[in-house]
Amino acid sequence: SAVISQKPSRDICQRGTSLTIQCQVDSQVTMMFWYRQQPGQSLTLIATANQGSEATYESGFVIDKFPISRPNLTFSTLTVSNMSPEDSSIYLCSVQSGANTIYFGEGSWLTVV
Amino acid sequence: QQQVKQSPQSLIVQKGGISIINCAYENTAFDYFPWYQQFPGKGPALLIAIRPDVSEKKEGRFTISFNKSAKQFSLHIMDSQPGDSATYFCAASSTGTGGFKTIFGAGTRLFVKA
Repeated sequence: SAVISQKPSRDICQRGTSLTIQCQVDSQVTMMFWYRQQPGQSLTLIATANQGSEATYESGFVIDKFPISRPNLTFSTLTVSNMSPEDSSIYLCSVQSGANTIYFGEGSWLTVV
Repeated sequence: QQQVKQSPQSLIVQKGGISIINCAYENTAFDYFPWYQQFPGKGPALLIAIRPDVSEKKEGRFTISFNKSAKQFSLHIMDSQPGDSATYFCAASSTGTGGFKTIFGAGTRLFVKA
């Protein structure tokens, strides 16, 4: 399985600011995804990060709020823009490895105050 | 159709007992069914997975039972240990016109009493 590193691991942010989360994978992967996990909740797919093209967003998530970059096959960033307390969540980078399996990083724990 | 329904929401089991978590799905396009284990402060980790052409898969103390006709699958943890206390998520994956996607159940918080 791929080793996935996320930065920052934790942060406390002021409302109205933006934060960029980085995801680095130790091998080239075709598919990278960003998930959100609100406190005590399940995992919700935000978007698929496409290399060389715009990300594909799920219903309820928009590019202006969650811009995503994927400059190459090992790296992606997710920005949470104009944060509010409702954005306090764990943001998880994941990759597809093998046929149908996805693996997760340790997550970035964001608290918005 | 994209939902994966998971139950129970929480589960308390005595050490040495069997923990059983159930999931159900609607979309027959799902073709891969993984289970993830998540400890507090950590990302979800793949535990075990099954394809729909197999009715059961066992890895150590963990077994998936799969009923394709009923569109249900379950995780059994035999000889449950306190170290198994975690949140478990079932999931269903598909590769279709919308691309590869994995949908997660709501999660089950398991507590194994020593």
